[in-house]
Amino acid sequence: SQELEQSPQSLIVQEGKNLTINCTSSKTLYGLYWYKQKYGEGLIFLMMLQKGGEEKSHEKITAKLDEKKQQSSLHITASQPSHAGIYLCGADSGGSNYKLTFGKGTLLTVNP
Amino acid sequence: DAGVTQSPTHLIKTRGQQVTLRCSPKSGHDTVSWYQQALGQGPQFIFQYYEEEERQRGNFPDRFSGHQFPNYSSELNVNALLLGDSALYLCASSLAGYGYTFGSGTRLTVV
Repeated sequence: SQELEQSPQSLIVQEGKNLTINCTSSKTLYGLYWYKQKYGEGLIFLMMLQKGGEEKSHEKITAKLDEKKQQSSLHITASQPSHAGIYLCGADSGGSNYKLTFGKGTLLTVNP
Repeated sequence: DAGVTQSPTHLIKTRGQQVTLRCSPKSGHDTVSWYQQALGQGPQFIFQYYEEEERQRGNFPDRFSGHQFPNYSSELNVNALLLGDSALYLCASSLAGYGYTFGSGTRLTVV
């Protein structure tokens, strides 16, 4: 079965600093989703990557999928307190496997 | 455009009881998946419903069952509740398994 490992588990940064969260898969990814979650709330969709080498950006957040489609990174530029939360990566194995497999998440704290 | 709607938002039940959680998918979506998220963990896949049938199931016991209605809304039922069933239950909808939108979840506490 597919497993996703996220690093770091938690991260504390000063407002304005850049940061990167990584997601490594035990198998080749068909699709990789990034979500943000406030504590105890639902998941907010950030981006989806499917192609090797693909990179997408939205506001100050950039996500990349490596050429081998086994690792993804999420980069936040000039962090703000509004970026604080739990970031989750979810893998889509494709084919007849319809579930998303998630990592355990990365807790981001941004100090003003 | 309404997103995924889940009800209730919070629920407290006693061990051994049964519970029903509800989900209305995003407009235009035809597939509903259910996930269980324990504290400090990522969501775990319970099952997915498509065309009113259970299409795929995760590693959850038969105490967990579901249903999808003709309007694509869905219910998750859990029988004989255990303390370990306490979690955030998330519903996700999609169109043909592409582009998952999640609801805000139902927080279930079993005492």
